[in-house]
Amino acid sequence: ETGVTQTPRHLVMGMTNKKSLKCEQHLGHNAMYWYKQSAKKPLELMFVYNFKEQTENNSVPSRFSPECPNSSHLFLHLHTLQPEDSALYLCASSHPGQGDNEQFFGPGTRLTVL
Amino acid sequence: QKEVEQNSGPLSVPEGAIASLNCTYSDRGSQSFFWYRQYSGKSPELIMFIYSNGDKEDGRFTAQLNKASQYVSLLIRDSQPSDSATYLCAVYTQGGSEKLVFGKGMKLTVNP
Repeated sequence: ETGVTQTPRHLVMGMTNKKSLKCEQHLGHNAMYWYKQSAKKPLELMFVYNFKEQTENNSVPSRFSPECPNSSHLFLHLHTLQPEDSALYLCASSHPGQGDNEQFFGPGTRLTVL
Repeated sequence: QKEVEQNSGPLSVPEGAIASLNCTYSDRGSQSFFWYRQYSGKSPELIMFIYSNGDKEDGRFTAQLNKASQYVSLLIRDSQPSDSATYLCAVYTQGGSEKLVFGKGMKLTVNP
């Protein structure tokens, strides 16, 4: 247990569905991240929130919409996804500026788009 | 584009051997370097971080950093089958966009 939880752990959705991924961290960190991990590709940073403000949007398609209501919670809203969006979506948190910039990852959501 | 490169692998070593994993990075201004281990179907977990040139040892793991050569490595001594996983090198970049950039990862198999 890293102190970062994600729900659901597995999600299967059709291309016309709307769903949301949730991430919660109990570490007192002020930065949260969404990553996408596809087979045989490096971890791809999608979004960064620092003190609830989005500081990075790594050219992610608009069918992915992040929301960060507070420093402990992060959502990724999904709509009209494509089969190539099937991947492991990882949430992480950190405390930037506090020395090591270490990121702690949640267990991930395995997403399958049919 | 700030990049982190790892050997393509996979790497296979016998139990008890030393496994050597290597990583190079393009951003000369990078300050923090991390090694994550990821078991199949699991999320990455941090095993080592290093900031200063030289070696850092933690149990069977040693991280080595050479900033002049922009090179960071991870040595695993007395490799165990439980060390079989994908190892991800990550570099914290600053200047404009502060973020952790990951390599593709190297799959290590330790054979009993």
